[in-house]
Amino acid sequence: SQQGEEDPQALSIQEGENATMNCSYKTSINNLQWYRQNSGRGLVHLILIRSNEREKHSGRLRVTLDTSKKSSSLLITASRAADTASYFCATDIMQGAQKLVFGQGTRLTINP
Amino acid sequence: EAEVAQSPRYKITEKSQAVAFWCDPISGHATLYWYRQILGQGPELLVQFQDESVVDDSQLPKDRFSAERLKGVDSTLKIQPAELGDSAMYLCASSFVETQYFGPGTRLLVL
Repeated sequence: SQQGEEDPQALSIQEGENATMNCSYKTSINNLQWYRQNSGRGLVHLILIRSNEREKHSGRLRVTLDTSKKSSSLLITASRAADTASYFCATDIMQGAQKLVFGQGTRLTINP
Repeated sequence: EAEVAQSPRYKITEKSQAVAFWCDPISGHATLYWYRQILGQGPELLVQFQDESVVDDSQLPKDRFSAERLKGVDSTLKIQPAELGDSAMYLCASSFVETQYFGPGTRLLVL
């Protein structure tokens, strides 16, 4: 079963614009992570935000976390064609050993 | 930079045949994961190892799937017999603490 749900399922924007993806989840978490997957490849870790953090930045990435609403957002600023990929949120649920539960993903297309 | 290795990258098989996938995690990573990813969906955990011990295999279809990590290093995932519905990407990941590092995956097509 997948706890996280990303919104939108697909997003197409022009190069240089900002892209925002949202993730909602159901149960309490230790942390929430975002991963990127280029077509047909493995996933690459982007950023981790802990349950006691509200916002985190890494380069052109900004992640927010609202544990009261059980939601997170990923903002990519000044998008580039190379940002075209699928983006997944993954929740580290509070269950003994670390276990990540992935959402369905947002397919992001950056048009040149 | 160290990477998770997987082989083969692609596998085509006929239903009822046996298939096996291999994963070599990043050196020093005690935790190893196998995921299945159906096209258009997110990865779903099949089995998680801590060293050579299974810590979670609740989503592993044990009637046909098996996984082992005998020496706590590399791992093998086997499907026998393969079914049409097993067509998917099989991803291996390893971690030291919280971040998981993924291999390139094995794309399986069952005909």
